[in-house]
Amino acid sequence: GAGVSQSPSNKVTEKGKDVELRCDPISGHTALYWYRQSLGQGLEFLIYFQGNSAPDKSGLPSDRFSAERTGGSVSTLTIQRTQQEDSAVYLCASSRDRMHEQYFGPGTRLTVT
Amino acid sequence: AQSVTQPDIHITVSEGASLELRCNYSYGATPYLFWYVQSPGQGLQLLLKYFSGDTLVQGIKGFEAEFKRSQSSFNLRKPSVHWSDAAEYFCAVGTTGTASKLTFGTGTRLQVTL
Repeated sequence: GAGVSQSPSNKVTEKGKDVELRCDPISGHTALYWYRQSLGQGLEFLIYFQGNSAPDKSGLPSDRFSAERTGGSVSTLTIQRTQQEDSAVYLCASSRDRMHEQYFGPGTRLTVT
Repeated sequence: AQSVTQPDIHITVSEGASLELRCNYSYGATPYLFWYVQSPGQGLQLLLKYFSGDTLVQGIKGFEAEFKRSQSSFNLRKPSVHWSDAAEYFCAVGTTGTASKLTFGTGTRLQVTL
């Protein structure tokens, strides 16, 4: 079946601009996660959704970062006023629920110039 | 808070040789443990998982891992490496009683020589 998809695959933006990253989870998966992968910090958890609610937002690095999930499916990660340190690969994952393994999408590579 | 250590940043093995990638975790309770593989420019692919039960778990692509509670380890093994196994390997631990909020190790890059 279809896996987790993310768009765009690459995004180049100027410092100070806002960006939106999209994630389409595997159909029927109720849990959705965002992670960030960067050279300096490795793989970091950002936020976890169960359905449309986010019981764990502890990994969001600043209030410039926000995420939402609608219809228990698609999620959007928004970064406002991007900074160069936001440059990274943003990975989305989904799972049947929080008790099961996570399946990852291909990621969005964000470059802030 | 949980943590994961992968002591080997880079490993080189010859094709056909055996492989063991080390992973040590720090966690107070019985962990949920995972190994993922990442090829260049790709997302993470799940190789195998340990939740409970048999401490030797089998995964895809001929990989296996053994959970050793006494050593806080979950090492990944493969008896005979193929050139296509060259990639980066990540060990991860989940939070209490769940597989959510994974904490990853820093990864081990595997190079396979022909």
